Amino acid sequence: DTAVSQTPKYLVTQMGNDKSIKCEQNLGHDTMYWYKQDSKKFLKIMFSYNNKELIINETVPNRFSPKSPDKAHLNLHINSLELGDSAVYFCASSRDRVGYGYTFGSGTRLTVV
Amino acid sequence: KQEVTQIPAALSVPEGENLVLNCSFTDSAIYNLQWFRQDPGKGLTSLLLIQSSQREQTSGRLNASLDKSSGRSTLYIAASQPGDSATYLCAWKTSYDKVIFGPGTSLSVIP
Repeated sequence: DTAVSQTPKYLVTQMGNDKSIKCEQNLGHDTMYWYKQDSKKFLKIMFSYNNKELIINETVPNRFSPKSPDKAHLNLHINSLELGDSAVYFCASSRDRVGYGYTFGSGTRLTVV
Repeated sequence: KQEVTQIPAALSVPEGENLVLNCSFTDSAIYNLQWFRQDPGKGLTSLLLIQSSQREQTSGRLNASLDKSSGRSTLYIAASQPGDSATYLCAWKTSYDKVIFGPGTSLSVIP
């Protein structure tokens, strides 16, 4: 039973399209995150939600919009996709904002052509 | 600019060796520091979390230490095994809600 599951695993799309990535955790964690890992493997936090409340919003283009309908779900919607958005996007969760029990999903590889 | 560096970038050792991975962060503001491993094509797995009030944490063959004054953390792996081969990343939580990841050390343990 997957703890943090994100879909789709792979996403290939054309520039200018709008796409969404979904994430669900069944761990009962309060905090969820979206990370971007670029081609050089650098991992950067994009957003963090705690009990459905946005607590971290790093310098991310406003084409990226997270949505947390409940504390078990954190989806990422991307408008007007650009070539530079190609990366692996990871969803993660932790028990609380301290960071205990950090658990990552297996990633969504987004390729914009 | 706040950033994290990890040395070495890559490491290859024969099975059974003890090894040390290093992580440095740029200032003394620290909430906690966490070590992760990432296997190819997978997400990260949390290994150890050290709170700013602690000096070290241990789990099995892994021991992580934290020296706030020098801005350093080390991950010690005892009696390395081929299954330890992965990329190891440290994550510096500078405050309650800000975290910065290092670039990682790619470890290969040769049987």
